[in-house]
Amino acid sequence: GNSVTQMEGPVTLSEEAFLTINCTYTATGYPSLFWYVQYPGEGLQLLLKATKADDKGSNKGFEATYRKETTSFHLEKGSVQVSDSAVYFCALRGAGGSNYKLTFGKGTLLTVNP
Amino acid sequence: DGGITQSPKYLFRKEGQNVTLSCEQNLNHDAMYWYRQDPGQGLRLIYYSQIVNDFQKGDIAEGYSVSREKKESFPLTVTSAQKNPTAFYLCASRRPGTETGELFFGEGSRLTVL
Repeated sequence: GNSVTQMEGPVTLSEEAFLTINCTYTATGYPSLFWYVQYPGEGLQLLLKATKADDKGSNKGFEATYRKETTSFHLEKGSVQVSDSAVYFCALRGAGGSNYKLTFGKGTLLTVNP
Repeated sequence: DGGITQSPKYLFRKEGQNVTLSCEQNLNHDAMYWYRQDPGQGLRLIYYSQIVNDFQKGDIAEGYSVSREKKESFPLTVTSAQKNPTAFYLCASRRPGTETGELFFGEGSRLTVL
């Protein structure tokens, strides 16, 4: 079945540091890939997405590139802010008939200190 | 403003009691979902509904029940058969015609069994 593996947290950075959160996946065919963000006490929000190989999703300074050859979708940001502190989830929608649901990674807690 | 409203935000239940979590949306979305979130486990799908009067089991449906009598409403009942109900419950919906992974989430309901 489909699965998503994210780097274990927590990740603690200083403001303006470079961020990478690794995400790799297992799926057949060409899944769609997503990053969601959850701020404290809230539900999840879609951060960015990529629906085919080599696509780059971007939003709010965050980027992730769909790499079919390495089955990866790593999240990056060049300069993090305190307001980026949240839990980040990588997610996958399988290709074909099982496209009703998302498979989520376990989440990575990011804390950014001033 | 359009959105998804979950209530109550916090709920305490004694063992052996059923409890119903409310999810209402005014986004005119057809598809709605219930996810369970546990620390370090990511999100797992409980039930989903693609259209009124129809719903399907997700990965962890045992001990839960749902109904979809109206487009706007998708309540989740946590029954006494659910062995470990303490968790954070998230309701989501999807806009018609969009990529299946683009979900809108409510702010969640935290259930604690005493």
